[in-house]
Amino acid sequence: GAVVSQHPSWVICKSGTSVKIECRSLDFQATTMFWYRQFPKQSLMLMATSNEGSKATYEQGVEKDKFLINHASLTLSTLTVTSAHPEDSSFYICSAMADGYSPLHFGNGTRLTVT
Amino acid sequence: EDKVVQSPLSLVVHEGDTVTLNCSYEVTNFRSLLWYKQEKKAPTFLFMLTSSGIEKKSGRLSSILDKKELSSILNITATQTGDSAIYLCAVERDNNDMRFGAGTRLTVKP
Repeated sequence: GAVVSQHPSWVICKSGTSVKIECRSLDFQATTMFWYRQFPKQSLMLMATSNEGSKATYEQGVEKDKFLINHASLTLSTLTVTSAHPEDSSFYICSAMADGYSPLHFGNGTRLTVT
Repeated sequence: EDKVVQSPLSLVVHEGDTVTLNCSYEVTNFRSLLWYKQEKKAPTFLFMLTSSGIEKKSGRLSSILDKKELSSILNITATQTGDSAIYLCAVERDNNDMRFGAGTRLTVKP
């Protein structure tokens, strides 16, 4: 079955530093990738939609300069949390799909802790 | 290898029907099992199950976890067209990561 690999699984960083999270589709070409952030009570918030070769579409309230998304190839999208602060500590998940008719495949998530 | 398997992959029913969606898992350090409804932008949280045999209900939806069988079911009674969506099962582990199933695509026809 289709696999989406997310790396790293967890990261601890100091306030003010930047962290990059990778999302790779291992056995299919993902035209679209999504980035989510998990909030309390297990709710997932969509942060942005990333299409290969074009700028990401950010949801309202998500700072595009803070959360940089790059979908450089059909198998890789990256989320960079710039100048991280403790309030950015969260669980970030990506998902990918081959096309509009394909199911979504989720990565295993990245636990970010900013100290 | 950790895995979460949902069945069926796709299901088409008519309004008023009752459906049962299945989720089985093999993961280490199991903490909880979650059900989400995926329609548009982000999966909507439905249930979190941690204890075996205790049914959780929300309107026409209900779910139960069987830790012995390593599985969970999601029931939807008196289905409506608005129930059409992809239903995702995810397992949280003690190290805070999640494993998602591939989802069940439910289509409810008028």
